[in-house]
Amino acid sequence: EAGVTQFPSHSVIEKGQTVTLRCDPISGHDNLYWYRRVMGKEIKFLLHFVKESKQDESGMPNNRFLAERTGGTYSTLKVQPAELEDSGVYFCASSQEWNRIYEQYFGPGTRLTVT
Amino acid sequence: GESVGLHLPTLSVQEGDNSIINCAYSNSASDYFIWYKQESGKGPQFIIDIRSNMDKRQGQRVTVLLNKTVKHLSLQIAATQPGDSAVYFCAENIEGSNYKLTFGKGTLLTVNP
Repeated sequence: EAGVTQFPSHSVIEKGQTVTLRCDPISGHDNLYWYRRVMGKEIKFLLHFVKESKQDESGMPNNRFLAERTGGTYSTLKVQPAELEDSGVYFCASSQEWNRIYEQYFGPGTRLTVT
Repeated sequence: GESVGLHLPTLSVQEGDNSIINCAYSNSASDYFIWYKQESGKGPQFIIDIRSNMDKRQGQRVTVLLNKTVKHLSLQIAATQPGDSAVYFCAENIEGSNYKLTFGKGTLLTVNP
């Protein structure tokens, strides 16, 4: 069974540019989560999709971040315009049941560097 | 705000020794805890979990201890192996938070052969 995949693995962009990160969850997983870890800090929750609906987006830092999950399959996270403080590793996770936290499987992450 | 934190950012042990990684949390409403292992280039991988109504849980070579009195969580790895070298994160679920995880900063474990 393929795990959670993320693309790209690494992105380097200049301040003010736009970047779109993609996450493909495990097939059949209705729940999809985005997290990020900025340098030296904790991994922080960004948002949670159930199928195509945003269940909880309380962790989204500001309106420069837009997450979508059209069709309830893969998800994208767009940052526009990117700022220096957006640099970090963005993780995606998926699970079949929303209340089985231990079954949140994480992808390898996308390392975003904003210069 | 309340969050999960770690006492030691790095830990270096000899192969075969036991490792203990510690984690402090401050939210008394946390009802579920997970330890994750993250190897270089990979995402966090589930190791073991424990609910707040338990004090101890054992897995294969790993044991998690929970002390609710002092809000402390630890991960013990027996007979540490080079393959155990990774960053270890503790994470908590705060009751009523809709099952989103709050992570600590991570501890880098280095196992010397």
